Amino acid sequence: GEDVEQSLFLSVREGDSSVINCTYTDSSSTYLYWYKQEPGAGLQLLTYIFSNMDMKQDQRLTVLLNKKDKHLSLRIADTQTGDSAIYFCAEITGRRALTFGSGTRLQVQP
Amino acid sequence: EPEVTQTPSHQVTQMGQEVILRCVPISNHLYFYWYRQILGQKVEFLVSFYNNEISEKSEIFDDQFSVERPDGSNFTLKIRSTKLEDSAMYFCASSLSGVQRNEQFFGPGTRLTVL
Repeated sequence: GEDVEQSLFLSVREGDSSVINCTYTDSSSTYLYWYKQEPGAGLQLLTYIFSNMDMKQDQRLTVLLNKKDKHLSLRIADTQTGDSAIYFCAEITGRRALTFGSGTRLQVQP
Repeated sequence: EPEVTQTPSHQVTQMGQEVILRCVPISNHLYFYWYRQILGQKVEFLVSFYNNEISEKSEIFDDQFSVERPDGSNFTLKIRSTKLEDSAMYFCASSLSGVQRNEQFFGPGTRLTVL
């Protein structure tokens, strides 16, 4: 079955890099996603990676995928206070439904 | 920028009552979804809907739940007889197509509290 795990909390200083980690169990995952949730708002898609890629960079965001270890990470360069939010990784396999991790709360200290 | 909207933002109901949660998906989107998040737990898929019928559903989506697109803009989730364990944040989402890469746009959620 599908299961996605994340650490619950990460605190960084403004200007540092943040790395949020995620592990998944379904080796047939085709796409893996990172969503951001700010207080009172819905889930906003930040980026995604296709399973045949190892890395994807999009401005300050870098996604790394290790298929062998079923490990996904999101690196945010030059983290700002506006990046404080909950970050969810999610996978999609043969269905259209997303399976989410429990979310990592990122706190950015000024 | 187009967005998914949901009403109400918070619904309080008594156990055993029926509730209807409303969503207005993005206007040109064709696939619609409901997810829920019980406090402290993961966001869980409930159901997806396309072409006026359910295209897939999870084990959570039992006979107490139903979905409907009553007109060209609204997408609703009905819970017939609410239970305490139905208390959760319910998120609606929509996507332009059902292709896996296609982005699902989420609404801000409705917090349902069952007393």
